Amino acid sequence: GIQVEQSPPDLILQEGANSTLRCNFSDSVNNLQWFHQNPWGQLINLFYIPSGTKQNGRLSATTVATERYSLLYISSSQTTDSGVYFCAVVKQAGTALIFGKGTTLSVSS
Amino acid sequence: EPEVTQTPSHQVTQMGQEVILRCVPISNHLYFYWYRQILGQKVEFLVSFYNNEISEKSEIFDDQFSVERPDGSNFTLKIRSTKLEDSAMYFCASIQGIGSPLHFGNGTRLTVT
Repeated sequence: GIQVEQSPPDLILQEGANSTLRCNFSDSVNNLQWFHQNPWGQLINLFYIPSGTKQNGRLSATTVATERYSLLYISSSQTTDSGVYFCAVVKQAGTALIFGKGTTLSVSS
Repeated sequence: EPEVTQTPSHQVTQMGQEVILRCVPISNHLYFYWYRQILGQKVEFLVSFYNNEISEKSEIFDDQFSVERPDGSNFTLKIRSTKLEDSAMYFCASIQGIGSPLHFGNGTRLTVT
């Protein structure tokens, strides 16, 4: 099956710093989503981004489907950004979303 | 904004007991999913459901698991005889149609003692 690799596995930042999280996938994909899992375990949908670039406030994401990677940018990080960020892909329309192992982000004040 | 709702938020059960986890997907969504996440690990796909039948399942979804859409709103996951290793967060999700984003519920934390 398709492999989803996320890096780095862990990231520690001071409040106000910027960061880039990466997601590589082993095959072409039909869909890609980024999620934030907060400390309470909720999975928050950040971006639905099979290709191109999107921005939502301090967060933005870029997927280069032809090169099989996606990037999540977090600018001016806040303590509330802490948690695990997951990338998940769908290889073929109608099949399941497959998750990477996530990047654990800790932002301290 | 409509959301996927799951009940209960936390369930404790004894090994060997049956449990039913309940979900109400978003009303106009057509595809439904169950995922699980063992503590500290990644989110794993269990099963997808469309048009009142299973459309895809993982190797985790063995004979002790079953899913059902008993009426027009609920979607349930049943574990027949729970094991200690079934302890995990179980997430329900739904999509409106193929190619649209997946929306997750807040999860049910299952603890098997």
